[in-house]
Amino acid sequence: QVQLVESGGGVVQPGTSLTISCVGSGFTFNKYSMHWVRQAPGQGLEWLAVTSYDGYNQYYANSVKGRFAISRDNSKNTLFLQMDSLRSDDTALYYCARGPPMGYYEVGNLDLWGQGTLVTVSS
Amino acid sequence: DIQMTQSPSTLSASVGDRVTVTCRASQNIDTWVAWYQQKPGKAPKLLIHKASSLQTGVPSRFSGSGSGTEFTLTISSLQPDDFATYYCQQYTGDYSTFGQGTKLEIK
Repeated sequence: QVQLVESGGGVVQPGTSLTISCVGSGFTFNKYSMHWVRQAPGQGLEWLAVTSYDGYNQYYANSVKGRFAISRDNSKNTLFLQMDSLRSDDTALYYCARGPPMGYYEVGNLDLWGQGTLVTVSS
Repeated sequence: DIQMTQSPSTLSASVGDRVTVTCRASQNIDTWVAWYQQKPGKAPKLLIHKASSLQTGVPSRFSGSGSGTEFTLTISSLQPDDFATYYCQQYTGDYSTFGQGTKLEIK
């Protein structure tokens, strides 16, 4: 079925790096922009980043620009988020989500979401 | 950055009520707004896009309106399954932002 499955979360120490992944299935992955959104415990949604369908364009929220990097491997239907210099306030459930298809601007509504992977930054 | 301010933060209502949630943008965003429903422990679900377009499969009791800086999500007759948290999202320019959420509770 059409789905997104995140993985790679865990408990990490402040100042370290972590890369999380998201695999898409049931749809033509390389035709859609892909996004990362996070949700801190008990808090609202925070949009983080988007990559275009072909991986050529990336845009970021100011809160993570320069520390996080979004990328994709269309041959493996996989989206990545590399997170550097992690801080305690990066503790959150990280969702990947599908954005608009090719031909539309990358930053758009999100019509398919994974169940999230939990990242906890703690010493 | 474009800020999205939702009101109210919490809304108490009964089954059958008509409810409205408002989202105000800090600058003109045309109709580049989406609305999501999130239930505890679940991922968000897209309800409305482009301010007023109902996502496929979403019940017609949900509707959206607005343009520019003020937007509303209306549920015409609340059903038990509708008690959840609702978020607006703006997607103009090179980034996106969500509102802080409105929790819809049973009165």
